[in-house]
Amino acid sequence: NAGVMQNPRHLVRRRGQEARLRCSPVKGHSHVYWYRQLPEEGLKFMVYLQKENIIDESGMPKERFSAEFPKEGPSILRIQQVVRGDSAAYFCASSTDPRAEAFFGQGTRLTVV
Amino acid sequence: DQQVKQNSPSLSVQEGRISILNCDYTNSMFDYFLWYKKYPAEGPTFLISISSIKDKNEDGRFTVFLNKSAKHLSLHIVPSQPGDSAVYFCAASESNFNKFYFGSGTKLNVKP
Repeated sequence: NAGVMQNPRHLVRRRGQEARLRCSPVKGHSHVYWYRQLPEEGLKFMVYLQKENIIDESGMPKERFSAEFPKEGPSILRIQQVVRGDSAAYFCASSTDPRAEAFFGQGTRLTVV
Repeated sequence: DQQVKQNSPSLSVQEGRISILNCDYTNSMFDYFLWYKKYPAEGPTFLISISSIKDKNEDGRFTVFLNKSAKHLSLHIVPSQPGDSAVYFCAASESNFNKFYFGSGTKLNVKP
């Protein structure tokens, strides 16, 4: 009974490169949420996706960030042309529906050098 | 705009004593509140929740109290154990929707 799996656990990118973060939800969960945690801060909501649909992306920066949750395969958070300020821990959570308990993955720590 | 605030970045408590972690919020539309526990290099783990129709919810050693008029909630851990040492995040949402607003966390250290 695997939980939410995120990979990679650690990702180092140079400024200007692309970062791809993957999230495999708990089996049977069709709702995925991405959060970002900057150093010394709490988690901040980025985006909520259901299979093939973006439900709420109000926390996503307007540029360079995108997310998808295809019918098959993991959810992907993509950051283009990374900058130092993108360095953070990115957490994915999944649930069976918006009102059910959400389970978090271990996070991907992105470092931009 | 920080809608959920945890004003104590850290708390140190002796084993066996009570730990009280506090959280304040500003959005009166929040009606579902949760506490998450987080160990280093791991994701947050759900601990306990409370909806706005209640003022107390208890689960074993953990009790969450909600004071809607003061927009304040607290987590009580009794008795505290060294394994409780972690960062505790308070989170709130509207209508049980998993779009949470998190506080900045309180690092609890329970000394043996």
